[in-house]
Amino acid sequence: DGGITQSPKYLFRKEGQNVTLSCEQNLNHDAMYWYRQDPGQGLRLIYYSQIVNDFQKGDIAEGYSVSREKKESFPLTVTSAQKNPTAFYLCATDGRQGLSTEAFFGQGTRLTVV
Amino acid sequence: AQSVTQLGSHVSVSEGALVLLRCNYSSSVPPYLFWYVQYPNQGLQLLLKYTSAATLVKGINGFEAEFKKSETSFHLTKPSAHMSDAAEYFCAVSDRGGKLIFGQGTELSVKP
Repeated sequence: DGGITQSPKYLFRKEGQNVTLSCEQNLNHDAMYWYRQDPGQGLRLIYYSQIVNDFQKGDIAEGYSVSREKKESFPLTVTSAQKNPTAFYLCATDGRQGLSTEAFFGQGTRLTVV
Repeated sequence: AQSVTQLGSHVSVSEGALVLLRCNYSSSVPPYLFWYVQYPNQGLQLLLKYTSAATLVKGINGFEAEFKKSETSFHLTKPSAHMSDAAEYFCAVSDRGGKLIFGQGTELSVKP
């Protein structure tokens, strides 16, 4: 089955703890993205990667880190420096064909601080 | 800089009525424009996209949108709402580099 797999679906984090959200894709897409979704704020870009071993900060990168060691995988770590991590996190890939682009999304991970 | 404004965070229509969700964009380059739908606790699904071909774009589930450059708008419509259309809808713009800028979202409710 082709697609984007995010795990876990629900994640609980204690104060001061780092947690890692997984995103795996088998679409053979080069570009991958992490977005954060909060009620009434739409989606905001955290980090993105357009090629293996390279990634760039998005609009709200503080308190987050990523790696892109394999084309298929783009894990997101929410560090203790992120003061308000409770949110819905979405991973996406870019199915670019020539000049046309279309983002495909995973099912999301809901992170809650307890 | 690009931006997207969705007018109305909540829209309520009766089943069978016209659905109109408004989106205005700002872009310094010819934009790509998208509408996505999100059901509770799920990811986003592409409804339709505009990439500088026909200005009237037809998407899935009977939705369509018209690109109006003079009004910098890309409003989403559906002639007759169905209960299953209740969801959150996001308009997005891309600078063709792949990154998407999203609006705040519009929650659509459909009354029986």
